[in-house]
Amino acid sequence: SQQGEEDPQALSIQEGENATMNCSYKTSINNLQWYRQNSGRGLVHLILIRSNEREKHSGRLRVTLDTSKKSSSLLITASRAADTASYFCATASFPGSEKLVFGKGMKLTVNP
Amino acid sequence: DAGITQSPRHKVTETGTPVTLRCHQTENHRYMYWYRQDPGHGLRLIHYSYGVKDTDKGEVSDGYSVSRSKTEDFLLTLESATSSQTSVYFCAISESGRGQVETQYFGPGTRLLVL
Repeated sequence: SQQGEEDPQALSIQEGENATMNCSYKTSINNLQWYRQNSGRGLVHLILIRSNEREKHSGRLRVTLDTSKKSSSLLITASRAADTASYFCATASFPGSEKLVFGKGMKLTVNP
Repeated sequence: DAGITQSPRHKVTETGTPVTLRCHQTENHRYMYWYRQDPGHGLRLIHYSYGVKDTDKGEVSDGYSVSRSKTEDFLLTLESATSSQTSVYFCAISESGRGQVETQYFGPGTRLLVL
């Protein structure tokens, strides 16, 4: 059963622009995570935000979490062609879970 | 890829044959997971393990079994492969803490084609 739903499903931007991806989920969570997948490769963890956090930064990445709206957003600033990939949000359910539930992912294309 | 290997990386097999995929980690993480990835479905959990000989089912476990006899190895077996099991299979590991799953680290994947 899908928990997270990324939006938009596909996004195409020019290098240097910012990219914003959204994730909505259905049930209460302990944490929400974002992953990147380059074509033909495994997923790579980007950032984890806990339910008691509202915003987190990592380099050019900024993640926000709104638990009242059950949504999160991932902002990539000053995008590069190398950011071209699929991005997934994943949630760990409250009160505790040993499993992550992944969304279907969204495709970001950054044109040089 | 965080000390995770999967073998084989590619496999073509025929319907009805058993297939075993192997995941090996060098990180000594407690949790290991098997996912399948299909277009339009994202990643779906097949089975996972929370310790040696301790496993549990995921969302799409029918037709699959797993075994974990050592911390470092997690095997996924398709008992009698079907064309619907054609997919890319990913192994992941995690050192969950405080009763909740934390960061997962993924292997490079195995592409399986069942003819």
